[in-house]
Amino acid sequence: KQEVTQIPAALSVPEGENLVLNCSFTDSAIYNLQWFRQDPGKGLTSLLLIQSSQREQTSGRLNASLDKSSGRSTLYIAASQPGDSATYLCAVGPQGGKLIFGQGTELSVKP
Amino acid sequence: DGGITQSPKYLFRKEGQNVTLSCEQNLNHDAMYWYRQDPGQGLRLIYYSQIVNDFQKGDIAEGYSVSREKKESFPLTVTSAQKNPTAFYLCATLSDRASNQPQHFGDGTRLSIL
Repeated sequence: KQEVTQIPAALSVPEGENLVLNCSFTDSAIYNLQWFRQDPGKGLTSLLLIQSSQREQTSGRLNASLDKSSGRSTLYIAASQPGDSATYLCAVGPQGGKLIFGQGTELSVKP
Repeated sequence: DGGITQSPKYLFRKEGQNVTLSCEQNLNHDAMYWYRQDPGQGLRLIYYSQIVNDFQKGDIAEGYSVSREKKESFPLTVTSAQKNPTAFYLCATLSDRASNQPQHFGDGTRLSIL
């Protein structure tokens, strides 16, 4: 059974710092891996989707990598800002969209 | 605007009562999903539907029921058999089940017990 783990559960950094969030999964037979952002009391916003055949995706200050053989993905945030404060969730999917989520990393960026 | 509308935003349930959460989408997406989120945890799949008039159980379907009579709508009923219903419920859509596109999420319904 696929299990997804995110470490750390919470992270606090000063503004301007570069940071890395980690996601690991137990079964490498995935269709894609997605990173989402969740603001308090809100739904999820998709940040990046990496297909199983890809190694990384970039969007602005965000870069996500995927290493299927080791069951790991990282989300790199460059030059962090207070507006980046939120919970970040990774999810892996088989084809069909039945995502399996990690517990999330709660990020706080201090001015 | 195209999107997903969940209602109500907050819902309270009495003991022994069934309640229904609404999810409506105008994205013309085929697949729809219901997830449950408990504090400090990730999302868990309750039910999903990949086509009208068809749906499948997810990992935690006990105590819940759904219907998919229209492409645009996928209501979730939390029955009295669900003994711990307090959670944040999120509805999501995907353009089609073979799609390698991200899922779109609504803003959620927070359900509490009176």
